[in-house]
Amino acid sequence: GQNIDQPTEMTATEGAIVQINCTYQTSGFNGLFWYQQHAGEAPTFLSYNVLDGLEEKGRFSSFLSRSKGYSYLLLKELQMKDSASYLCAVGYIPTFGRGTSLIVHP
Amino acid sequence: GAVVSQHPSWVICKSGTSVKIECRSLDFQATTMFWYRQFPKQSLMLMATSNEGSKATYEQGVEKDKFLINHASLTLSTLTVTSAHPEDSSFYICSARGSWGATYNEQFFGPGTRLTVL
Repeated sequence: GQNIDQPTEMTATEGAIVQINCTYQTSGFNGLFWYQQHAGEAPTFLSYNVLDGLEEKGRFSSFLSRSKGYSYLLLKELQMKDSASYLCAVGYIPTFGRGTSLIVHP
Repeated sequence: GAVVSQHPSWVICKSGTSVKIECRSLDFQATTMFWYRQFPKQSLMLMATSNEGSKATYEQGVEKDKFLINHASLTLSTLTVTSAHPEDSSFYICSARGSWGATYNEQFFGPGTRLTVL
């Protein structure tokens, strides 16, 4: 099975940088996903990491360390619209963490 | 990009009725579809995994006779909530995975269906 842990809530200031961590335990690793979910909407794909290292995609970057069972999502130049829940998921049949609610304030 | 649609986007029904939710992959063949349920302020909970042409695999605690899943084609899966009760009120989300390339590694989510049972 899988066990995923991420912080429940984080706050940050517009224009700043925030790092959302995710630790996981899984019996078989097929990659790690990050999704963004706004209230009342379905999740949208942000990133997929299967190898160690940093994947950069615009303002968002995702890092993976398979040996440590650890990933983080890095959001730069925060905007108010980035206020959402960020979900970490692992597994071929993905198991989702509880999500981190990010609040960006002016 | 790969698109998944869901219908209806919201539904209100009386207790005891059955509700069918459709999930369609519009521009790719979805060999596997997943059905999730999400209660307010909680994470997505996987209900079942369905592969085209075979019976769905249900997660522990999910009643297969209550939540009927049919994946009859590579582009359509349906979830029927039978004899719905107020505790079944939730946000139901499907996702689809293809068999090659980007559609293999990534799950593409539908927009979700909000079910309210009175």
